[in-house]
Amino acid sequence: DAGVTQSPTHLIKTRGQQVTLRCSPKSGHDTVSWYQQALGQGPQFIFQYYEEEERQRGNFPDRFSGHQFPNYSSELNVNALLLGDSALYLCASSLEPRRQETQYFGPGTRLLVL
Amino acid sequence: AQKITQTQPGMFVQEKEAVTLDCTYDTSDPSYGLFWYKQPSSGEMIFLIYQGSYDQQNATEGRYSLNFQKARKSANLVISASQLGDSAMYFCAMRETPRGQNFVFGPGTRLSVLP
Repeated sequence: DAGVTQSPTHLIKTRGQQVTLRCSPKSGHDTVSWYQQALGQGPQFIFQYYEEEERQRGNFPDRFSGHQFPNYSSELNVNALLLGDSALYLCASSLEPRRQETQYFGPGTRLLVL
Repeated sequence: AQKITQTQPGMFVQEKEAVTLDCTYDTSDPSYGLFWYKQPSSGEMIFLIYQGSYDQQNATEGRYSLNFQKARKSANLVISASQLGDSAMYFCAMRETPRGQNFVFGPGTRLSVLP
């Protein structure tokens, strides 16, 4: 049973550039959530995708956008990168609408903005 | 607004001893779920244990148990018989189920198991 996968594992960009991160959910899951984890902090919720639509969004600017494909995989796009965007980006998948279902996380993508 | 507090930035425990990691939460919603995750240095968040707000008994999963005190709004994680591989960051998280499935995480506790 394949778990959540993310690519790439590491990424280095410069300020002003754009980046795309990818996530494949755990087999059988249809909901994907994205989190940003700055160094030394807990993860912060960015947004969640279900049925190819953004279902919920955290307190992040419009520079952060996403997409979910018919196979439930998802992309996170960040435009006009800032130094403060340097973080570990975690993808989590779950089943909707089972409220008791936990989220399973991928290994994350470490983004460094120079 | 939801809030998770973990007051222990770092903890040390001797191998084979038990350790308790504290977590308190704040919510006005009667229906919610509480979760603990382990994050090794590799970065992946590993699910450990879940407690629902309406569950009558404390959750247990192998060496992990959750000491759930609803009136005090606390959900402490107890790890019995600590192992060197338990050294990691531990995060408490909450989901208010009527609002969706996104989690609110605490700041984490770094656990170091000493040989």
